Amino acid sequence: QQQVKQSPQSLIVQKGGISIINCAYENTAFDYFPWYQQFPGKGPALLIAIRPDVSEKKEGRFTISFNKSAKQFSLHIMDSQPGDSATYFCAAQTGANNLFFGTGTRLTVIP
Amino acid sequence: DAGITQSPRHKVTETGTPVTLRCHQTENHRYMYWYRQDPGHGLRLIHYSYGVKDTDKGEVSDGYSVSRSKTEDFLLTLESATSSQTSVYFCATNPGTWDYSGNTIYFGEGSWLTVV
Repeated sequence: QQQVKQSPQSLIVQKGGISIINCAYENTAFDYFPWYQQFPGKGPALLIAIRPDVSEKKEGRFTISFNKSAKQFSLHIMDSQPGDSATYFCAAQTGANNLFFGTGTRLTVIP
Repeated sequence: DAGITQSPRHKVTETGTPVTLRCHQTENHRYMYWYRQDPGHGLRLIHYSYGVKDTDKGEVSDGYSVSRSKTEDFLLTLESATSSQTSVYFCATNPGTWDYSGNTIYFGEGSWLTVV
């Protein structure tokens, strides 16, 4: 059973456009929601994260929107650039040994 | 870069042979993990360790064993490799602290394993 459901599986966006990736979870015990970015041939790396006591977190062009009541959260990439082309994983976590990843979204930004 | 080195980075092995993947970290992180990454499944936890000689199973532990004899080293062993274990394996670490920034997982660069 997938603890975190992620969509879409792949996404193609024009340069300068907005990329949106959505995730949903069921376990209300999760209290930390990170997003990881992975480039081909590399390991994932933390991009941005949010706790459920806030509804939005912004870091540069990257924003997480969090809806606690709906148990959904999303990543928005503003002014998408070709260098943003990567696979993005959402995750939900409680504690150091209880982290579940979504299935990933492959983002392609067309110049 | 959290100072995580995985070896080997690429390996082709035959069905039924034992395989050991090694992970070495230089950050003195308490937690270490082995994940596998497969298309359509994302990253799934195989085993993790919360200290020397302290390990526990993840969601896809069947067919795998681990050992951690030193803080810096975490070994993943496939006792008898099968084609279903063809995957990319990632080692990861976590300092085990909990601050406002959360509990960041740091990943190595992966080990590509093909079982033929």
